Amino acid sequence: QSALTQPPSASGSPGQSVTISCTGTSSDVGGYNYVTWYQQHPGKAPKLMIYEVTKRPSGVPDRFSGSKTGNTASLIVSGLQAEDEADYYCASYAGSNNFYVFGTGTKVTVL
Amino acid sequence: QVQLVESGGGAVQPGTSLRLSCAASGFIFTNYGMHWVRQAPGKGLEWVAAIWYDGSKQLYADSVKGRFTISRDSSRSTLFLQMDNLRGEDTAIYYCARDDCSGGSCLAKWGRGTLVTVSS
Repeated sequence: QSALTQPPSASGSPGQSVTISCTGTSSDVGGYNYVTWYQQHPGKAPKLMIYEVTKRPSGVPDRFSGSKTGNTASLIVSGLQAEDEADYYCASYAGSNNFYVFGTGTKVTVL
Repeated sequence: QVQLVESGGGAVQPGTSLRLSCAASGFIFTNYGMHWVRQAPGKGLEWVAAIWYDGSKQLYADSVKGRFTISRDSSRSTLFLQMDNLRGEDTAIYYCARDDCSGGSCLAKWGRGTLVTVSS
């Protein structure tokens, strides 16, 4: 059960866009359309931002979007705002044996 | 409103046991699969275990398989994690989470977590 690979950090100025990648294998990200993204502010529990690659739960701004190509998924945050500064984790269904695996996490800084 | 409240964490010595609880309220507990996810201090999220909505199936990360047991009590709307033979690397905040997806899992509701510290 190896963690999915994310860049350690990403940054952008207010109003800009930032894209976070999440690379796995054909046994997880590439094999299923079950990629999720979580946002975590310091000292807080994670919050679901995207599920099933592209779907947004109610209440999540449409500035957040997801996509996937092959074994790599991406989270795009458009129109960056100060409150978007947080850690972001991808996760994926990984089959009946490994079941669920998280990414290594990306710290997003709003400059 | 939906609430998940973890309890049972604390400081223990290596090789001992601990039982975490997660009290659920504000929703029909038997309609949802449930998970435990942990986060070591300053580190990322790690999936630990999951249990089907009806308790019929349990799944575990390799790092805890054979040492941890996930279970649920529908009459008390409570999720449990029995942790045996604890190791230093089990030190983490343990979160319980509700799975809102019927397919590949999406953890839509989380508790605030309970801290487990394993040290001699």
